[in-house]
Amino acid sequence: QVQLQESGPGLVKPSGTLSLTCAVSGGSISSTNWWTWVRQPPGKGLEWIGEIYHSGSTNYNPSLQSRVTMSVDKSKNQFSLKLTSVTAADTAVFYCARASYSTRVPDYWGQGTLVTVSS
Amino acid sequence: DIQMTQSPSSLSASAGDRVTITCRASQNINNYLNWYQQKPGKAPKLLIYTASSLQSGVPSRFSGSGSGTDFTLTISSLQPEDSATYYCQQSYIVPITFGPGTKVDIK
Repeated sequence: QVQLQESGPGLVKPSGTLSLTCAVSGGSISSTNWWTWVRQPPGKGLEWIGEIYHSGSTNYNPSLQSRVTMSVDKSKNQFSLKLTSVTAADTAVFYCARASYSTRVPDYWGQGTLVTVSS
Repeated sequence: DIQMTQSPSSLSASAGDRVTITCRASQNINNYLNWYQQKPGKAPKLLIYTASSLQSGVPSRFSGSGSGTDFTLTISSLQPEDSATYYCQQSYIVPITFGPGTKVDIK
């Protein structure tokens, strides 16, 4: 059973960088899957941030592309998200998920972590 | 980007009722349409993928249909534990996009 667990600071200052890591257990990050980040502002809907393959190939949401970087650490079986120049509008629960390479369907999700942007 | 719309935005129904939620894509997405259930404080849970395939472990009262731009999620006999928000999602082309959600309450 694949499990994903997000970790990182719960509070980030405005104009700072949000950094999160997703640890994958019960499966290999080198499997044929996209590794995905999705966020959800409090009380609002879901927004796809982007995805990364174990090769390092990425696809980002154009709305965030200038501020997003994703990376993979095969040695630790984890992947990461960096979002720069954050504002209060970036306050959200961030989820990591595994998605099928062919259909891009996220089937396994982490529990989510709330990141608040505030001074 | 492909825009996803859902209707209704919310509904209230009694246990045992048949419930249908509609999702529409702004362009053809073939059958790359997925449905999720989300309860407060929890991660989304995959119910249906590629329009009509039931995810393992999901009760058979959930079903999906459609192709192209119009899709439906049906709950054949609503149960109290089905109280949640339901999202559709297209995975046909990046950026992946979600519908705004349909909140389902039990009367």
